[in-house]
Amino acid sequence: AQKVTQTQTSISVVEKTTVTMDCVYETRDSSYFLFWYKQTASGEIVFLIRQDSYKKKNATVGHYSLNFQKPKSSIGLIITATQIEDSAVYFCAMRDMSNYNVLYFGSGTKLTVEP
Amino acid sequence: EAAVTQSPRNKVAVTGGKVTLSCNQTNNHNNMYWYRQDTGHGLRLIHYSYGAGSTEKGDIPDGYKASRPSQENFSLILELATPSQTSVYFCASGEGQGSNSDYTFGSGTRLLVI
Repeated sequence: AQKVTQTQTSISVVEKTTVTMDCVYETRDSSYFLFWYKQTASGEIVFLIRQDSYKKKNATVGHYSLNFQKPKSSIGLIITATQIEDSAVYFCAMRDMSNYNVLYFGSGTKLTVEP
Repeated sequence: EAAVTQSPRNKVAVTGGKVTLSCNQTNNHNNMYWYRQDTGHGLRLIHYSYGAGSTEKGDIPDGYKASRPSQENFSLILELATPSQTSVYFCASGEGQGSNSDYTFGSGTRLLVI
């Protein structure tokens, strides 16, 4: 089964700066999908961004981008120009394509953006 | 608007009692999933289903059963609830095998077993 590891338990940054959250994964699949989700203070979990392993270009959505380093099995989330409302818990996840698209999640990183 | 709805939002149960958590989706997705969230563990998979009538064990199925009577509904059943099952439970739906779309999550059910 896939394994996803987030070692940063919490990060605190000042508003308008850039933050990077780390994630490493393990898989035997040659092709796979990686995701980042955000959990807000209300508990809602929303999809942010996805990286397909066969794509060399790093995915970007708004002020979220990914740093995909396939040889290192690493998929970092970069948030530029952070805002107070970016404060949340961020989860990295990997899809198991051979098992009904089950998502395996990391333990999450709590981001606090301070004024 | 397509959605995943969980009920109840909050539940207090007695140790040894039976608890049923319900999930309904209007996405017409084939796959549905139950996760629990605990501090330090992220989201861990309990059971999942790839269609009506099917249930499969996830990584932590002990103490839980699941039921998928229809495409829209997927329940998680705790036959004999224990305090260790105090947690926040999330249901999600997703498209079938080979799809490259993401999950839709419900809002979660907060369960306290006393």
